[in-house]
Amino acid sequence: GQNIDQPTEMTATEGAIVQINCTYQTSGFNGLFWYQQHAGEAPTFLSYNVLDGLEEKGRFSSFLSRSKGYSYLLLKELQMKDSASYLCAVRVDSGYSTLTFGKGTMLLVSP
Amino acid sequence: DTEVTQTPKHLVMGMTNKKSLKCEQHMGHRAMYWYKQKAKKPPELMFVYSYEKLSINESVPSRFSPECPNSSLLNLHLHALQPEDSALYLCASSQTGQGGYGYTFGSGTRLTVV
Repeated sequence: GQNIDQPTEMTATEGAIVQINCTYQTSGFNGLFWYQQHAGEAPTFLSYNVLDGLEEKGRFSSFLSRSKGYSYLLLKELQMKDSASYLCAVRVDSGYSTLTFGKGTMLLVSP
Repeated sequence: DTEVTQTPKHLVMGMTNKKSLKCEQHMGHRAMYWYKQKAKKPPELMFVYSYEKLSINESVPSRFSPECPNSSLLNLHLHALQPEDSALYLCASSQTGQGGYGYTFGSGTRLTVV
């Protein structure tokens, strides 16, 4: 099976930088995704890592270390609208590709 | 078209009712998924269809019955549900094969079983 851990909640101030960590243990690893989900809405795709290193996309960056089973999502220049749940998800290929989500990190951005 | 469309957005049904949730995408994705999400919990995989064939059924009770009539449509037939089945039901689609193919999610159907 898969085990994906991330902090339950984080708080940060508008304009600051926040890093959300995710650790995973899985077999058949074939990529790690980060999704943002506002309350009552569908998850929206933020980033994807399959090789070690940093992927940057505007205010969002994601890092992966496969040997450590570790990823983080870095959010810069935080805005109030960034208050949401951030889901770490691992793609596993075992004949068929499936995406398994961590429990999500609720980020609250305050003024 | 880069969307997954789910209908209805909200559904209230009794425990003896039969209803269906519908999902549609026109992105040419050949993999489609049903997820269930309870409040403050992550989405949990229910079913995976690949090339219109059921690939994975994550031990979902038989009161949930998926159907994939064609490559663009995915249904979830509901019968004799329980109040604990109340949740947000999310449909998603993706390309198949390798690569950074994230899932595109629909906006979900908020189901309440009374």
